[in-house]
Amino acid sequence: GAGVSQTPSNKVTEKGKYVELRCDPISGHTALYWYRQSLGQGPEFLIYFQGTGAADDSGLPNDRFFAVRPEGSVSTLKIQRTERGDSAVYLCASSFGGRNEQFFGPGTRLTVL
Amino acid sequence: GQQVMQIPQYQHVQEGEDFTTYCNSSTTLSNIQWYKQRPGGHPVFLIQLVKSGEVKKQKRLTFQFGEAKKNSSLHITATQTTDVGTYFCAADFNKFYFGSGTKLNVKP
Repeated sequence: GAGVSQTPSNKVTEKGKYVELRCDPISGHTALYWYRQSLGQGPEFLIYFQGTGAADDSGLPNDRFFAVRPEGSVSTLKIQRTERGDSAVYLCASSFGGRNEQFFGPGTRLTVL
Repeated sequence: GQQVMQIPQYQHVQEGEDFTTYCNSSTTLSNIQWYKQRPGGHPVFLIQLVKSGEVKKQKRLTFQFGEAKKNSSLHITATQTTDVGTYFCAADFNKFYFGSGTKLNVKP
């Protein structure tokens, strides 16, 4: 079956621009996570959805970051007024239930010039 | 905040040698997961440990969860070149905190 997919795979933008990153989880997975991974580091938690609601958004670094999951499936991570420090690989993962095996997507590599 | 320390940061071994990575927390964990990330790839789930003192094996990989549920280890016996990658622990503090990973390089 299809795994977690993320689009785009690469995004290059200019400082100050707005970007949207999309995640398509595995069908039937109720939990969805967004992480950010910088080179040489482990994934850094951003936000966790259980169904349509954000169960925990404490990892979002500031109010420029926002994520939605309106129908409990696809999720979009939105970043306003991008900064060079936002450059990283953004990973999405889904799981069946909140504390089970996480299936990761291939990630979106965001580069802010 | 919550933190997990993972050591060592790097490990270079000759093929056939053993490898161990350790994950430590200052607080008790409800469970811990282990992932492997190949160069250029994304994390792939290996195992989840839940019970105090739990030991699980997957072929040449042995995973342990400490009695106090504050530490965990992953041991690979007789490494192969296919084991190359970065191994992460992910601690459950109601959300998952990943360690910084141990990058394993295996020389053939």
